[in-house]
Amino acid sequence: DAGVIQSPRHEVTEMGQEVTLRCKPISGHNSLFWYRQTMMRGLELLIYFNNNVPIDDSGMPEDRFSAKMPNASFSTLKIQPSEPRDSAVYFCASSLDRGIYEQYFGPGTRLTVT
Amino acid sequence: DAKTTQPPSMDCAEGRAANLPCNHSTISGNEYVYWYRQIHSQGPQYIIHGLKNNETNEMASLIITEDRKSSTLILPHATLRDTAVYYCIVSRLGAGKLIFGQGTTLQVKP
Repeated sequence: DAGVIQSPRHEVTEMGQEVTLRCKPISGHNSLFWYRQTMMRGLELLIYFNNNVPIDDSGMPEDRFSAKMPNASFSTLKIQPSEPRDSAVYFCASSLDRGIYEQYFGPGTRLTVT
Repeated sequence: DAKTTQPPSMDCAEGRAANLPCNHSTISGNEYVYWYRQIHSQGPQYIIHGLKNNETNEMASLIITEDRKSSTLILPHATLRDTAVYYCIVSRLGAGKLIFGQGTTLQVKP
């Protein structure tokens, strides 16, 4: 298996632009997680899905952030409009189920907003 | 979920055992202890988990005290590739989400 796939790996955009990050979970995994990592705040959970349904989005910072999971093999995290403080590494992770201990993380997308 | 406390950094000589402590004094009876690590620029990687018994797998051993208020992750023969940030997390089974703290930066030195 290729593991969790994220695209793009690097994204540089200007303030105010829309940014879409993509994630393909491991086939057969029912839970998907979006995390954000910065030096100041560390690794934070933004939202997670179980069977394509958002279960907990309490970590989504504000309305500029939205996430979707239209099917079991694809999820997006969108930021509109983007701001410099959104600069971070965004990780996607998946697990067999939300009760399973092991989450598999993707390589991350490094976002820079200028 | 219970909060965890870890030392910010530790050093270990290559080939020696690395013992990483974690305090979780407010842990509840149904909460598990998880360990993950993050090698520079990569996504976190699961290492091991436990409830109350000691656990061992091919990567590490997890020792949980009898009162469950603290635990130790043991890397039996540390290598340079074990240099990473190690996160101790406490969470209920089925909770889904993991809350990462600041972790311990382990530096393995030749």
